[in-house]
Parts: sequence; C-alpha cells; structure tokens
Amino acid sequence: TQLLEQSPQFLSIQEGENLTVYCNSSSVFSSLQWYRQEPGEGPVLLVTVVTGGEVKKLKRLTFQFGDARKDSSLHITAAQPGDTGLYLCAGEGNNRLAFGKGNQVVVIP
Amino acid sequence: GAGVSQSPSNKVTEKGKDVELRCDPISGHTALYWYRQSLGQGLEFLIYFQGNSAPDKSGLPSDRFSAERTGGSVSTLTIQRTQQEDSAVYLCASSRLAGGTGELFFGEGSRLTVL
Repeated sequence: TQLLEQSPQFLSIQEGENLTVYCNSSSVFSSLQWYRQEPGEGPVLLVTVVTGGEVKKLKRLTFQFGDARKDSSLHITAAQPGDTGLYLCAGEGNNRLAFGKGNQVVVIP
Repeated sequence: GAGVSQSPSNKVTEKGKDVELRCDPISGHTALYWYRQSLGQGLEFLIYFQGNSAPDKSGLPSDRFSAERTGGSVSTLTIQRTQQEDSAVYLCASSRLAGGTGELFFGEGSRLTVL
C-alpha cells in the first residue's frame, strides 16, 4: 500500500499571508496530482507533476515535486479567502490514484 | 451538463437496508472509479472499471459492497445490509485515460447516512 501523508492536517491563516503544505511518502511515484475540494463538491484537479524536481506555478500557487519523486509541496502566496478548501495530493500506482487525507486550509478575511 | 453526475445527492437509510448509488460518467471516458470519503479522512479507493476489462475490486471493504458498470457507461454501487460505519460520501470519478496520469473528473458525491 502506498501511503501519502499530508501535513499539516489543518491550517488557518489571515488573508495576505503565505503558507506551505506538504505531501510525503516512502514510495516513489511516477507522478503526483494535487486536487482542491470545496464543501459539497468533488475534488478538482489543480496540477500534475511528473519529473523529479519539477516546479509548476498556477497563479499564486507553486507546486514542487521532490527530486526523488517521493514528496511534494504546495506553496500559496498572499492567500485569499477563495483559496479556502481541502487540498488533496494523489499518487499513481496500480492503475489507480491513492489519495492522502488532505490539508484543510482556511483563509480568514 | 457535461460533468459526472451522481444520484441521489443525499440518502438516509435505516441500518440493515440496501442502497443503490448511481454514477453517470462523462461521455467517452473509459475509466470509472468509486471512492469513499469519511469525515476527516481522505479518499478511500473502492473499485475501478476500465473499458471491458474485469474491474479492480480490491478496495471494496466487504462482500456487502458490489458495483456494476453497464454498457461501459453508467455505474451502480450497491451496499447490502447497510451498517452505521458505511455512512460517508461516495464519490465517483471518470477519466479518459486508464489509471495513471489522467485527470480524474469527480461528481459531487452521494452522501449516505445510516441510522
């Protein structure tokens, strides 16, 4: 079983602050995906990282894939209330995506 | 609507009753997944269908759970003799690609409450 550990589980910050959340595993993944889930909705894909050391930017969100392809981080610059949600990382294995428990982020106006 | 459609959105049932949850994937998507999300937990894989291949049922928690996908499109997840621990949000997702790096498109989920 490929386990993905996400930390911190819960994070509350003020609007305008920066934050970083982490996704770690002892397994090597060919790719990692990050999804955001809002209450009452299904997760929506934000980004897929494939190459070790890869950095992808999506507006104020920066995603990094570890060199060894075992971990990833998500950094949000100048967080906005609209960034509030559950951020889920998912790794590919055995023809399925295995998900972590998520990072619950709350941005206070 | 071109997205993944799930029904019912909410289901309250009594312990011991059977329930059926339906998923209508995006047209043309060959892969279909069922996940379960309990409060405070991540997404737990249940079952995966890919085209006409035999489904991967390795995530089903007990023999009370079963799923079908008819004609390579609509899928039904059936839970027999429901228990309180079955209460969760059941999410369906479809993908154009088999497993791996393909994006999963999720429905809004079916929230099941077993009293």
